[in-house]
Amino acid sequence: GAVVSQHPSWVICKSGTSVKIECRSLDFQATTMFWYRQFPKQSLMLMATSNEGSKATYEQGVEKDKFLINHASLTLSTLTVTSAHPEDSSFYICSARDKSGYGYTFGSGTRLTVV
Amino acid sequence: AQSVTQLDSQVPVFEEAPVELRCNYSSSVSVYLFWYVQYPNQGLQLLLKYLSGSTLVKGINGFEAEFNKSQTSFHLRKPSVHISDTAEYFCAVSAPMDSNYQLIWGAGTKLIIKP
Repeated sequence: GAVVSQHPSWVICKSGTSVKIECRSLDFQATTMFWYRQFPKQSLMLMATSNEGSKATYEQGVEKDKFLINHASLTLSTLTVTSAHPEDSSFYICSARDKSGYGYTFGSGTRLTVV
Repeated sequence: AQSVTQLDSQVPVFEEAPVELRCNYSSSVSVYLFWYVQYPNQGLQLLLKYLSGSTLVKGINGFEAEFNKSQTSFHLRKPSVHISDTAEYFCAVSAPMDSNYQLIWGAGTKLIIKP
């Protein structure tokens, strides 16, 4: 079945540094990638939607200059948390929609801890 | 716009007992319906989905769900749970007419299996 590989699975970084999270669709082409943030014991909060080759659409309240999303190809999307602060610590998950439009495949998530 | 309500934040159940996790949605258009499972510190895995056709949908791990249009529900059931079913379960909907096919999420239900 469809697989989305998300790396790293966890990362600890110092406040003020940037962190890049990668999501790769391994056996299908991802036309749309969704980036979510999940706080402990809560549901998923959509941060942004990106379509291959175009700028990402950010949800209200999400700083696009802080959370940089690049969807340069049909198999790779990246989320860069710039100048990270402790409040950015969270679980980040990507999800790819395949060309059928009916399938959503999730990455395994990235636990970001900013110290 | 669509919305999803998962009425129970936690459902405790004894091992080998049946379980039902409730999901109701609201939408003025036809929707696709999904159930996902999330194990601790992991991404989400699709359990089952309803796109069209038979209202009883069978998924992985012995789960099934029934789409009830008149009651706008999509409850998830399993006749006999196992300790390994301990996880968070999310119900989600998407609207075929939504060009981005965004998923709208419920708040999640934590399934707690008691030995």
